[in-house]
Amino acid sequence: ETGVTQTPRHLVMGMTNKKSLKCEQHLGHNAMYWYKQSAKKPLELMFVYSLEERVENNSVPSRFSPECPNSSHLFLHLHTLQPEDSALYLCASSQDYYGGGDYGYTFGSGTRLTVV
Amino acid sequence: EDQVTQSPEALRLQEGESSSLNCSYTVSGLRGLFWYRQDPGKGPEFLFTLYSAGEEKEKERLKATLTKKESFLHITAPKPEDSATYLCAVQAYGGGSQGNLIFGKGTKLSVKP
Repeated sequence: ETGVTQTPRHLVMGMTNKKSLKCEQHLGHNAMYWYKQSAKKPLELMFVYSLEERVENNSVPSRFSPECPNSSHLFLHLHTLQPEDSALYLCASSQDYYGGGDYGYTFGSGTRLTVV
Repeated sequence: EDQVTQSPEALRLQEGESSSLNCSYTVSGLRGLFWYRQDPGKGPEFLFTLYSAGEEKEKERLKATLTKKESFLHITAPKPEDSATYLCAVQAYGGGSQGNLIFGKGTKLSVKP
């Protein structure tokens, strides 16, 4: 089991639904990230939070809304998604923003999202 | 523009057949190059960080090397359990988005017994 836990593991939602993805880390890290992983594409950074403040929003459509209530939890709220949003959504954490260093980012197992 | 290209896209090896995976990169100023392993249905698992040309790191059957333009992940006498997708990422110096990890598309390695 990794130090970053994501729930649910799988999610099927209709285009008009509203759902949320949850990420939790107890590594004492100060930065948390949402990534999107689609087939045949590199991991795409969506959002970055450092010390609970959003520091980056990588031109992500407004139908994705992140929330970071504290340094251990990160949410991704989803609404009115499109079929092309179907992907593996990964949460990661690092000691500090721009971290990585000798230990890299720690990733969760992801949520496999299917939009129908 | 910072960029990472991994080759080959897929690699099939027989157990015990050594080989190398390539990661070519262009970056304004390299802060670090990262290798990850990703198993199906799981998130990437950190393997190595390399910081400067000439640096090498090893872990079991894996050895990562770095030059000014590329990194290699050498796999010696692979076993079926080494089958996975291997991801390379670079991190640049600088503020804003420059400090974020930029990933390649990965190399899918299959090792047959």
